[in-house]
Amino acid sequence: NAGVTQTPKFRILKIGQSMTLQCTQDMNHNYMYWYRQDPGMGLKLIYYSVGAGITDKGEVPNGYNVSRSTTEDFPLRLELAAPSQTSVYFCASSLTGGAEKLFFGSGTQLSVL
Amino acid sequence: GENVEQHPSTLSVQEGDSAVIKCTYSDSASNYFPWYKQELGKRPQLIIDIRSNVGEKKDQRIAVTLNKTAKHFSLHITETQPEDSAVYFCAASDNAGKSTFGDGTTLTVKP
Repeated sequence: NAGVTQTPKFRILKIGQSMTLQCTQDMNHNYMYWYRQDPGMGLKLIYYSVGAGITDKGEVPNGYNVSRSTTEDFPLRLELAAPSQTSVYFCASSLTGGAEKLFFGSGTQLSVL
Repeated sequence: GENVEQHPSTLSVQEGDSAVIKCTYSDSASNYFPWYKQELGKRPQLIIDIRSNVGEKKDQRIAVTLNKTAKHFSLHITETQPEDSAVYFCAASDNAGKSTFGDGTTLTVKP
């Protein structure tokens, strides 16, 4: 099992550009999450999904969109990149949510200049 | 929503000493409390967790305690080693698995 795979690892965007961060998991997990981590801070939840076709907002959803068409994939879309979106983005998954640990991807370091 | 506060933000100890990191949470519906270790440039990795129906859990040199009444939980690392140096995050999770993280503690273990 590869676990949770994120691409790309690094990206530099110009203000106003768009991009999609890819996340896929091969553990047949139902729950998937997107977090962002600003320097020296904890992780903040952007969006999450409890299964294919179901998504919901987390703490900091503004400026982002997600979709979950399959169990495996949970892409995160930035439509109009802003400097405030410079961060490290982590995708995570868990089998059933609730009292279960999160499996994290290796992260995407995004800079918006 | 849930709010998690973590203290201290930095902690420096001598090798062999103990380290304690404390967290408080606000939402009594939170029922799962994991601790993650994150090394520089790496993903967070679970080191220990505790569920709301348990008061204490130990795994070798690491232990976690939970006081549901006071809404606080703590991480204890004994006999610290240089490889324990990292950033440690506590989190509080609800039934949907949504985790609210503390801001992290940078632990430095000096040889």
